[in-house]
Amino acid sequence: GEEVAQTPKHLVRGEGQKAKLYCAPIKGHSYVFWYQQVLKNEFKFLISFQNENVFDETGMPKERFSAKCLPNSPCSLEIQATKLEDSAVYFCASSPARGNEQFFGPGTRLTVL
Amino acid sequence: EDQVTQSPEALRLQEGESSSLNCSYTVSGLRGLFWYRQDPGKGPEFLFTLYSAGEEKEKERLKATLTKKESFLHITAPKPEDSATYLCAVQARMDSSYKLIFGSGTRLLVRP
Repeated sequence: GEEVAQTPKHLVRGEGQKAKLYCAPIKGHSYVFWYQQVLKNEFKFLISFQNENVFDETGMPKERFSAKCLPNSPCSLEIQATKLEDSAVYFCASSPARGNEQFFGPGTRLTVL
Repeated sequence: EDQVTQSPEALRLQEGESSSLNCSYTVSGLRGLFWYRQDPGKGPEFLFTLYSAGEEKEKERLKATLTKKESFLHITAPKPEDSATYLCAVQARMDSSYKLIFGSGTRLLVRP
């Protein structure tokens, strides 16, 4: 597609439950990035992929977060045992090349109660 | 540490009143500087990329410029539909993740 698609738009989980977010990058874009946006527009980088390979995961809290980009499937970001501080908007972005501009999806708002 | 600071935090303009938004950055070698617009409840919308000092890009009422330490987003004769949060982000040359480092944005309100 011509735009990055993210589902669901909103997700509500009780503390300790699992959450799974999906992202379909723009067709032809090889790079996918996940960011977490919290208060005051603070964007935190989580992980990036080049096609189905993890490119960089230095921002990921690995004990509870995992992500995948498999061929012919939307990319996914999964949070096991959610915590209150995971409440945020999660954005996926795609790019045709590493140093190029990144195009963002509409985001998934995760609320952990 | 790589850092981006945007000012002012918020800006109110009358329709037609031109102004500039500032983005100061400290980065271990700049690979690129990016401007985005974000409307409430939506994802950032790409506006411009600047790669080297002296570079300028223009789109409708917006013009972005870049120096070695900062970037400006000039808004000429703004309209109410220009109201949004404007985000500046940098990519550091030494950062192998190619992640964007964002500033906290400038909330622009243009009154009719």
